[in-house]
Amino acid sequence: GEEVAQTPKHLVRGEGQKAKLYCAPIKGHSYVFWYQQVLKNEFKFLISFQNENVFDETGMPKERFSAKCLPNSPCSLEIQATKLEDSAVYFCASSQRVYSGTDTQYFGPGTRLTVL
Amino acid sequence: KNQVEQSPQSLIILEGKNCTLQCNYTVSPFSNLRWYKQDTGRGPVSLTIMTFSENTKSNGRYTATLDADTKQSSLHITASQLSDSASYICVVSGGGSQGNLIFGKGTKLSVKP
Repeated sequence: GEEVAQTPKHLVRGEGQKAKLYCAPIKGHSYVFWYQQVLKNEFKFLISFQNENVFDETGMPKERFSAKCLPNSPCSLEIQATKLEDSAVYFCASSQRVYSGTDTQYFGPGTRLTVL
Repeated sequence: KNQVEQSPQSLIILEGKNCTLQCNYTVSPFSNLRWYKQDTGRGPVSLTIMTFSENTKSNGRYTATLDADTKQSSLHITASQLSDSASYICVVSGGGSQGNLIFGKGTKLSVKP
């Protein structure tokens, strides 16, 4: 498709519950990025993939966050034992290449996670 | 520390007027600078991308400038329209093997009739 798709649009979880978010990148794009936007402030980079391989995970809080991009499946971001501070909008973006430096990242509409 | 600072934080202008948004960065090394428009409840949409060798780039009524020496960029919006109401985010890429982007906090622009 020509748009990055993210599901669900909204997700509500009780503190301690698991949350799983999905992203389908634009067809033909090799790179997928996950970002967290808290309270409409700046985006925090979480992790990126080159196809199904982790490209950069320097932003991931590894103790509770995990992500995968498997062949022929949407990418996923999973949060185990959610905390109140995980409440945010999670954006997925995809691009054709990354190292060229000027490739546009196309963003999905985001998934709003609310932890109660 | 790599940072991107934007000003003003918010701006209200009348329809038809021009405005300029500012971005200062301390990202090093520097690969490129991007301006994104984010409508409420939507993901950011790319407006311009500039490398260090580019001084200006236009996209319709949007014109971005870059001064890599002073590490400053601006986004000029001409003849504003109501649909320009959005957050405008300055994003800097440090290049390298990561490809991740460093985002400013954005300028919230409101265009009033």
